Amino acid sequence: GQQLNQSPQSMFIQEGEDVSMNCTSSSIFNTWLWYKQDPGEGPVLLIALYKAGELTSNGRLTAQFGITRKDSFLNISASIPSDVGIYFCAGQMDYGQNFVFGPGTRLSVLP
Amino acid sequence: DAGVIQSPRHEVTEMGQEVTLRCKPISGHDYLFWYRQTMMRGLELLIYFNNNVPIDDSGMPEDRFSAKMPNASFSTLKIQPSEPRDSAVYFCASSFIPSGANVLTFGAGSRLTVL
Repeated sequence: GQQLNQSPQSMFIQEGEDVSMNCTSSSIFNTWLWYKQDPGEGPVLLIALYKAGELTSNGRLTAQFGITRKDSFLNISASIPSDVGIYFCAGQMDYGQNFVFGPGTRLSVLP
Repeated sequence: DAGVIQSPRHEVTEMGQEVTLRCKPISGHDYLFWYRQTMMRGLELLIYFNNNVPIDDSGMPEDRFSAKMPNASFSTLKIQPSEPRDSAVYFCASSFIPSGANVLTFGAGSRLTVL
């Protein structure tokens, strides 16, 4: 079945640093979503991407839809302690189909 | 809107017992998804519905699992009989596809522990 790979698997950064993570697939997607999950909660949508090459920002977060349509990137600038959590990418091949999730990137922010 | 509502938030049961998890999607959403999350396997799709009709149930582990959506505002996921390996967090999510936008909104999840 479809699989998404996320890297890095986990990362420890200092408060104030920028963060980059990515998501890759062997399949082409027409929608990429980025979610953040806090302990004991459901994933919360951060950014949605719908076009190859699209670059979208949400505050300190910026995500890009790769031009090959097989990857996506998420950047967090000037990290703060509340950025701690697990970040998931999700891809959908076509409207009305299943969303496939990556295994997540666990982010820890050191004060 | 209150978002996607799941119940119970926590369930502890003994092996062999029946478990029923419930979900109320966001009003107006026409897709409903059930996912299971474990440390080992991450977020896995179990089944999803469109307009109350099951579209893909290939992720349902085995016959012990069943899901229904009797109307647009309610869905259940049932496990009978439950086993310890069913312990996981079960998420319900809903979505709506207006022109040009398509996102999943998750509930807070139901944490199931089978002893």
